[in-house]
Amino acid sequence: AQTVTQSQPEMSVQEAETVTLSCTYDTSESDYYLFWYKQPPSRQMILVIRQEAYKQQNATENRFSVNFQKAAKSFSLKISDSQLGDAAMYFCAYRSPNYGGSQGNLIFGKGTKLSVKP
Amino acid sequence: GAGVSQTPSNKVTEKGKYVELRCDPISGHTALYWYRQSLGQGPEFLIYFQGTGAADDSGLPNDRFFAVRPEGSVSTLKIQRTERGDSAVYLCASRRGGTGELFFGEGSRLTVL
Repeated sequence: AQTVTQSQPEMSVQEAETVTLSCTYDTSESDYYLFWYKQPPSRQMILVIRQEAYKQQNATENRFSVNFQKAAKSFSLKISDSQLGDAAMYFCAYRSPNYGGSQGNLIFGKGTKLSVKP
Repeated sequence: GAGVSQTPSNKVTEKGKYVELRCDPISGHTALYWYRQSLGQGPEFLIYFQGTGAADDSGLPNDRFFAVRPEGSVSTLKIQRTERGDSAVYLCASRRGGTGELFFGEGSRLTVL
């Protein structure tokens, strides 16, 4: 079974600075999808960025980018120019491409709480 | 609707009571998922619907939990004989088809006293 591990329960960053959130995963599959989700106090999970395992190029979405190391099974999220609105819980998630009964099901890590200091 | 809607937003009940949580997915989304998020944890898969049928209910913790989606749109998660350990946020998500982004609702926070 696949597992996702986030080893940083909490992180803090100064406004306008850069922070990196760590995520590792375990799988025997060669093709899969990885995601970072943001969960503010409203509880709604919001997709930040996604990465297809078959793509070597790291995904980027504005101030958010990932460092995807397939051999190391590592998928970190870098937030540049941090803003107060970035403060939230961040979850790393894995999705298998095996479209069986659990088609598209996400496996989440325990999350990292990010605080942004003004 | 514009997004995934979940009701109630918060539910407080007593141990042993029956609870229903409702999810109204985005119009046209055929895939629907229920997740449970306990305090300090990431969401955990409960059940997945493709249309009206439960394609995978392997995440339901026991037979006190049941979910339906009779017309392939709105889904109801039903919990019988609630226990204090059932206290959590129950998240619903939907997707148009087999691929693409999963859209989440704001969840229903269940507290069992």
